[in-house]
Formats: sequence, structure tokens, C-alpha cells
Amino acid sequence: AQSVTQLDSQVPVFEEAPVELRCNYSSSVSVYLFWYVQYPNQGLQLLLKYLSGSTLVKGINGFEAEFNKSQTSFHLRKPSVHISDTAEYFCAVSVPGGYNKLIFGAGTRLAVHP
Amino acid sequence: GAVVSQHPSRVICKSGTSVKIECRSLDFQATTMFWYRQFPKQSLMLMATSNEGSKATYEQGVEKDKFLINHASLTLSTLTVTSAHPEDSSFYICSARGPTGTEAFFGQGTRLTVV
Repeated sequence: AQSVTQLDSQVPVFEEAPVELRCNYSSSVSVYLFWYVQYPNQGLQLLLKYLSGSTLVKGINGFEAEFNKSQTSFHLRKPSVHISDTAEYFCAVSVPGGYNKLIFGAGTRLAVHP
Repeated sequence: GAVVSQHPSRVICKSGTSVKIECRSLDFQATTMFWYRQFPKQSLMLMATSNEGSKATYEQGVEKDKFLINHASLTLSTLTVTSAHPEDSSFYICSARGPTGTEAFFGQGTRLTVV
């Protein structure tokens, strides 16, 4: 079975500062890794995904994430955040070849302050 | 990109009535769709996996007779909350397996309030 741990439930940060949202996963098989963003009362939007290949993945809105197999981590980073980045961020895994059944972490609330 | 449309975005119903939520893949065929439930300030809980033309697979603890799922076509899955009660009030989100088979695309969600 797979599981996802998001180490921080809330991350406050000032505008234009860098941010890192942490995600660790557990799985006995290879997985695909995803980061999604959710704005209030909306569905989830895909930020980026890791399937294979280069461990540094670049996504939308200036976000990037690095897959670290030895540490089973997939941390999300942005060098300079904006007020509009305030949202809930979810890390998720799925098993290749399956139905894309996603296992989600608990989420991290990113609050960007002016 | 692949678009999934969920309708309605908000619904208020009386206790004891049934509510149907639709999830459509607009520009691709989705053989597999998923239904999630999300409580305030919590993560998404998978309720069931919906496969076109076959019965849905429900997660442990989810009542099949209460949450009826139908996936009658390659672009439409529906979730019907039967005999709704206030404790069924929640945010329901659908997703569809994308055309490449490597990711899922989400609908906008439905806020259900049972009064």
C-alpha cells in the first residue's frame, strides 16, 4: 500500500520570499508523484508531476519539485511567492499501470502575507 | 488540456431527498472516473472508482446504497446521494483518468448542503 505524508499543515510566508512544501511517501513499488493546488470551493489543479526521467520537475506558476528516491521525498518549491499563491496544496501518488487512483496527503495550507 | 466539468457547483436539498451530481469529460473519453469527498480543511477521501459499463468499486466504509454511482457513457459519471441527511453535507469532487493514462483531471467540485 502507498501513503503520503505532508509534514507541514500550514506554512506562512511573506510575499516574494521562497517557499518549500514538504512531501514524503511510502511505497513498495515505483510510483508516479503529483502536486495539486486547490483554491477555496474549487476542484484540484495539477501543478506538476513526476513520472520518470529527470528528478527535477518544473510545473506551472513557477513551481518546481525534486524527486529524491533515497529519501522518498517530493518537495515542492517556489523561489518567490505571490499573494495569489495562497491556497491548499496536496501531494499525491499513484501506481503506474493502475487506474490513476490517487492517494493524497493531508494537505498544506500556504498563506502568503504582504 | 483535458477538461472535466462537474455540475452543479452548489446544491441545497431537504433532508430525505436525493441529489444527483454529474461529472463530464468534455474533450476526452474517460473509461475511469473517481468520486471523492472532502470535509472542511481536510484532504480528499476516495469514495469509489467508476468504470464505464460496469459496477463501481467502493472504498471500505462507503455505503453503496446511499451513494449510487452510474458511469453509463465514456464521458459521463453520476453520483446520486440518496435519502440525504445533514451529515452528508460535504464537498464532493470527481476526477477522470486522462487520455495518456498517467494523470487524473478534476472537476470543480460540488458543495452539498442538506437542511
